[in-house]
Amino acid sequence: GQSLEQPSEVTAVEGAIVQINCTYQTSGFYGLSWYQQHDGGAPTFLSYNALDGLEETGRFSSFLSRSDSYGYLLLQELQMKDSASYFCAVREGRSNYQLIWGAGTKLIIKP
Amino acid sequence: DTGVSQDPRHKITKRGQNVTFRCDPISEHNRLYWYRQTLGQGPEFLTYFQNEAQLEKSRLLSDRFSAERPKGSFSTLEIQRTEQGDSAMYLCASSHSQGDYEQYFGPGTRLTVT
Repeated sequence: GQSLEQPSEVTAVEGAIVQINCTYQTSGFYGLSWYQQHDGGAPTFLSYNALDGLEETGRFSSFLSRSDSYGYLLLQELQMKDSASYFCAVREGRSNYQLIWGAGTKLIIKP
Repeated sequence: DTGVSQDPRHKITKRGQNVTFRCDPISEHNRLYWYRQTLGQGPEFLTYFQNEAQLEKSRLLSDRFSAERPKGSFSTLEIQRTEQGDSAMYLCASSHSQGDYEQYFGPGTRLTVT
């Protein structure tokens, strides 16, 4: 079957660094995306990894290891506005545009 | 462009009624997706259009669900004979063929079936 596993909840302190892990088991793999969703809001795109390694975009970085079927999202210099749910999502094929989503990680940030 | 828009934002209907939702994607995006999301879960793929052609449909999608994108611009999602289990947030997203890994989501339509 297809599954993406990520922790249901992570708590961190403002200004700290937090890592949200995602392991996947899918019939195919073309890329791993990360989305942020605030309560009551729509998902917004954060990053995409198709190749192994680290992608950095400002305070957010994303890592992928295809051999381990594993990726993570790293958030640095946490701000209160980063409190949200974070989803990893797999695209299974080059011509397969649907995304398979994890259940999301709720990030709670304490002052 | 103001982004992806969806209408209505909220819909309350009685079981057995039909409902239709509309999505207006970002104008230069040729790909359009419908997802369903329930509380505490990630979005679940429903269907996908490239221009006016419906290219993928979830195997889990009931025959009561149908979607159209008649002119390759806006799209509609219809649910016939609604059931309480259809209560969810229905999300629409769009993307461009270049950079298609980035999907832009609308605010969603929250459906409550009583």
